[in-house]
Order: sequence, then C-alpha cells, then structure tokens
Amino acid sequence: GAGVSQSPSNKVTEKGKDVELRCDPISGHTALYWYRQSLGQGLEFLIYFQGNSAPDKSGLPSDRFSAERTGGSVSTLTIQRTQQEDSAVYLCASSLRDEQYFGPGTRLTVT
Amino acid sequence: GQNIDQPTEMTATEGAIVQINCTYQTSGFNGLFWYQQHAGEAPTFLSYNVLDGLEEKGRFSSFLSRSKGYSYLLLKELQMKDSASYLCAVSERGATNKLIFGTGTLLAVQP
Repeated sequence: GAGVSQSPSNKVTEKGKDVELRCDPISGHTALYWYRQSLGQGLEFLIYFQGNSAPDKSGLPSDRFSAERTGGSVSTLTIQRTQQEDSAVYLCASSLRDEQYFGPGTRLTVT
Repeated sequence: GQNIDQPTEMTATEGAIVQINCTYQTSGFNGLFWYQQHAGEAPTFLSYNVLDGLEEKGRFSSFLSRSKGYSYLLLKELQMKDSASYLCAVSERGATNKLIFGTGTLLAVQP
C-alpha cells in the first residue's frame, strides 16, 4: 500500500501569515506524529495522536502551533502568524505498533 | 533531562566496516531505534532494540546496553549508497511512544 504522504512538499510564506500542512498516514495506522527538523538539529517531537485519545501536545513550541486529526486519519498542522524561526522541514509519521513510518516532509520557508 | 549523543560526522571506505555509537540519558526507556536518512528524504527504519544484545539484519546490526545507556549501529561491506545520516532515537516510557532523536551522524562512504 501507499506510504505516508504529506502536502505541500514545499511552502514559502511571508512572516506573519498562517500556513496549513497536511499529512495522510498509512491506512489502518492508529498513531500519528508530527516532528520538526531544523537545519543542523535533530528531529524534534511536536504532537502525537492515538485513536480517540486526547493528543499529546507537549512538544508544540508555542500557542501559534496547533494540529487536528479528523476521523482518525488525515491530520493538519497549522502555524499561525509564522516567524522566521519556524522555517524547517515538518515530518509526519504514523505507526501501528512500535515502528514509525515517516512521510517525505514539508519544507517550510518563512521569508 | 534528555540527552542523546552521537558523532556529527564519520568517513569510511567502500567495503569496510563502520560503527556509529549513540549514548543516551532519558527520563524513561521503551526501546532504541536507528533510522537512515538520505539528504532530502524521509527517515527510513533500520532497527529497533528493546533488550540488551546484538540484533543482526543483513549488512546492518544494532547493539544495546541499557545499563550503560549505549547503542551502536554496525554497517558491514559498506556501499556508496550507504552515505547518509544515521539517526539514533529513544522511545520513552509512557503512553505516547514519542521518539527523542539525536542530531544524527552524517556518514560519507568513499571509494
């Protein structure tokens, strides 16, 4: 089957604008994760969804970041009032058990 | 606190063996993952260690010592295509199963 897909692959936005990043997990995977990878940094956990449980938002860097997962499948990560430090690759991953499968990421550039 | 250390860069010769070390200090431990990431691509799963010892999978092996907070990834019969970043990640104990990543080791395989 298809792997994790993300859109857009690249996004350039002006400082202060809002952006939405989309993730389609592997069908049947109950867990969904968002990570951020900044230049020269390791992957940084942002948020986790598991089934119908309340999401773990402990990694979100500020209240400008939010995410939702509709119908236990597709997820959208929203960044409001983007700042230049938000520039990074945003990776989504899904899993059924332990192994997480990553999507290709969205490269966000805030100018 | 959480800390995962791995060398920033390594260089090895085609056909040789290379060992990439990872040490970790985390508040909990469920298991340790190794991922491979080629430039501009998504991380791909290599190995998962929960118990102490060596796990072998083809040319790649991974070792874990929980008492020492130490793991290594061993790559044998290196090929040029093995040039990539190798990411060490710890899954913390708890409901989330989120991954805490090191900054990655960039391996360059030379002819």
